[in-house]
Formats: sequence, C-alpha cells, structure tokens
Amino acid sequence: QSVLTQPPSASGTPGQRVTISCSGSTSNIENNYVYWYQQLPGTAPKLLIYRNNQRPSGVPDRFSGSKSGTSASLAISGLRSEDEADYYCAAWDDTLRGVVFGGGTYLTVL
Amino acid sequence: EVQLVESGGGVVQPGGSLRLSCAASGFTFSSYWMSWVRQAPGKGLEWVANIKDDGSEKNYLDSVRGRFTISRDNAKNSLYLQMNSLRAEDTAVYYCARDGRGLIMKVVIIADYWGQGTVVTVSS
Repeated sequence: QSVLTQPPSASGTPGQRVTISCSGSTSNIENNYVYWYQQLPGTAPKLLIYRNNQRPSGVPDRFSGSKSGTSASLAISGLRSEDEADYYCAAWDDTLRGVVFGGGTYLTVL
Repeated sequence: EVQLVESGGGVVQPGGSLRLSCAASGFTFSSYWMSWVRQAPGKGLEWVANIKDDGSEKNYLDSVRGRFTISRDNAKNSLYLQMNSLRAEDTAVYYCARDGRGLIMKVVIIADYWGQGTVVTVSS
C-alpha cells in the first residue's frame, strides 16, 4: 500500500487531454513539493515535473503539474502514442522522513 | 552529461549480503544529495535511502533501517549501498538517483537523474 494514492490506470485517444491524480496528506503533498516521473516500458524513470509545476529542460510543455492542498495532478495534453508509460508521483514526507511514491498509473493511448 | 552507472547486483541467498555501487560523472558529485530507489518485479517505485552531499545526514525506508547502509566517497565520485540480512522481499532493480542541492530535503529536488539499475535477486 503506497503512501500516495494514484489510480492504477488511465487512458485517452491521440490528441486528447488526460489528467492523473495523486492524493496524499499534510505531511507530504500539502507541506512539500510534488514530483512526477515517467517510466517507459523497460527503461529507468525520468523526471517529468519538479517542485509541483516546473518542467526540466527537454520536457514538452504538453506536460503540466498542479497542486492543491493534499492532492496533486499531472496533465498531458495533445496525447501521443509515445506517452504510453507508467507515471509516478512523489514527495518528501516530514513524518516518515523519507521520500514517498504513489503506486503508479499506467497510461494507455487508445 | 550526467551519468550514473550501478554495479554489484546479483543472486544471493536469504540472510546474505551484497554491496551496490554507483559511479557518477558529469557533475560535481560532492555537491548533491544522492538516493537509492528500488522496483520489485512488476511493481512500482520504492525509495530506499538517501544521503546528504557531505554524508552528514542519511535517511532510510523503515523496512531497511538497520539492515542497509548508504554511504559515499566524494573523492571517488561513488555512492554505495551495503545490504545485509537480505530477504526475498528485497528482490528488485535498484536504481541510483541524483537528488538536488540544499541544506534540507524539503528544498532538495528529488531524483532528477537516474541510472539504468542493477538487479538484486534474493532466493535460495
């Protein structure tokens, strides 16, 4: 059971906009930055969003992050077939004194 | 270019030990926090431990505290994970990841670069 809660799956058609939610608590999401990672099949994870809504260089602006209270979301607009992957949220947890991840959401592009 | 290369994985019996290494290049290693993150077969990501740039602070996942030890050698640009009393549930791909710079983890960017991972299998 992961500390952060994500839906196990999401789907959309090419060109569509999809959102993936991440639910936590005061000790993690509300009081700390949220991060999002993309893991393509058979590869290492890649940082997609840092500090709630910042994109590393090279990440398309189709990807955006937001946070409100104890929840956060990743939005992907203009969905493409190459976006099919696992997506994970993460945050520092003040009580556990460690990094906590969500269980991951597998995005299918139909 | 930031590069992180893990090594040291393998097959070990329950109760055994392994030492993982991560060779870092392409950045000033001594200025960054570093982490180990694992992924069990078919499962999600699980943070294992991290260490401050100068080694003065270490944090651990509850289930590995007392069994695993994270360390670093800034002169060798290397990160380590000593794993003792291994259990079947420790079986996973172990990733080395670079965290950011900062005095406390609340402001440090988490895992902006990842290695390709090394496989640890605990089985009799």
